[in-house]
Amino acid sequence: EAQVTQNPRYLITVTGKKLTVTCSQNMNHEYMSWYRQDPGLGLRQIYYSMNVEVTDKGDVPEGYKVSRKEKRNFPLILESPSPNQTSLYFCASSYRTGTFADTQYFGPGTRLTVL
Amino acid sequence: RKEVEQDPGPFNVPEGATVAFNCTYSNSASQSFFWYRQDCRKEPKLLMSVYSSGNEDGRFTAQLNRASQYISLLIRDSKLSDSATYLCVVHLSGAGSYQLTFGKGTKLSVIP
Repeated sequence: EAQVTQNPRYLITVTGKKLTVTCSQNMNHEYMSWYRQDPGLGLRQIYYSMNVEVTDKGDVPEGYKVSRKEKRNFPLILESPSPNQTSLYFCASSYRTGTFADTQYFGPGTRLTVL
Repeated sequence: RKEVEQDPGPFNVPEGATVAFNCTYSNSASQSFFWYRQDCRKEPKLLMSVYSSGNEDGRFTAQLNRASQYISLLIRDSKLSDSATYLCVVHLSGAGSYQLTFGKGTKLSVIP
């Protein structure tokens, strides 16, 4: 089944404790991205990747890191989480998004709480 | 500044009603436009792409007006299952940037 998977789905952690949220897609998509969704603010893009070893900042990259060593995986790293990073996070992928955008396929989301 | 603005909602409509959502975008160089649907606490899913010529998919019609920089979504004969939040999405590429910008969403509740 074609899908985007995220792990963990739920996470409660404490300030400063490094964490990684994994994202994997099995559709051989080139473009992958991370979003956070907060009430009243909508979905905001954190980072995106056009292909392996190519990543770029979205609208809200501060406090996050990403890597794209393999085409299928795009982990989101929070080196020192803070309470303002409490949010619902979505990973998404598309076949190709460049001059024009393809359909974005989203993972099920990761609900993160930082105490 | 990239911005996408949507009707704030919520829209509460009876079954069978016709409802329209509008969305405006600030960057005239935007190249791709979409409507996504998001059910409560679920991931967004593509509803339809929006083309300059307008496009229709069953009860749903999307229109793009580049001159006025807005897109619209019309839902005819609303069903209870149409209750969801509808997200307007704009893609801007250029100068090495390939970002998608989402509107904050418009919540629709279809009432029996």
